[in-house]
Amino acid sequence: GAGVSQSPSNKVTEKGKDVELRCDPISGHTALYWYRQSLGQGLEFLIYFQGNSAPDKSGLPSDRFSAERTGGSVSTLTIQRTQQEDSAVYLCASTHPGGLMNTEAFFGQGTRLTVV
Amino acid sequence: SQQGEEDPQALSIQEGENATMNCSYKTSINNLQWYRQNSGRGLVHLILIRSNEREKHSGRLRVTLDTSKKSSSLLITASRAADTASYFCATASGGSYIPTFGRGTSLIVHP
Repeated sequence: GAGVSQSPSNKVTEKGKDVELRCDPISGHTALYWYRQSLGQGLEFLIYFQGNSAPDKSGLPSDRFSAERTGGSVSTLTIQRTQQEDSAVYLCASTHPGGLMNTEAFFGQGTRLTVV
Repeated sequence: SQQGEEDPQALSIQEGENATMNCSYKTSINNLQWYRQNSGRGLVHLILIRSNEREKHSGRLRVTLDTSKKSSSLLITASRAADTASYFCATASGGSYIPTFGRGTSLIVHP
């Protein structure tokens, strides 16, 4: 695709339910990042995938959060047993093989998650 | 803790004026990037400045970097109402490939 695609755009879920968020990066981008942004706050790093290497999960806030990237392309972020504090915009970004150190990151439009 | 922190948190100016926002960071960096965010959605890359550069221009944007003070500034000249957005700096320290973002500067340009 022309850009990073995230779905759904908006998601309202009941507390305790599981949700899956999807990110389709730009073709050929080997690096993929997930961030979370609460209202009026900065971006909080969640997880980083680079090629076939083991992902860096150091930003995941609890074991209710997990992510995978199948075939080095599409990624899904899963939140189990959602809590109200999980409400935020979840942003995905991808970069050229050079990585974000030297090139720009392309962001999707995010998924706005609301837990009621 | 966050690597990059922008200030001011909020800036309100009239169209045609210049807007300056600053970013301070804590550890040595390889490069620093500025991004813009409209309406709390996806971020758009504005400019990248490397640690061996002191100033960079792109259209109405001017970015400076002072590695001795661990700070950067973003200047938007002749601002327009369409520049209203949040602006973030992003840095990655050492060999990290994971950039950290500050809380951003919320810019409002009044027509």
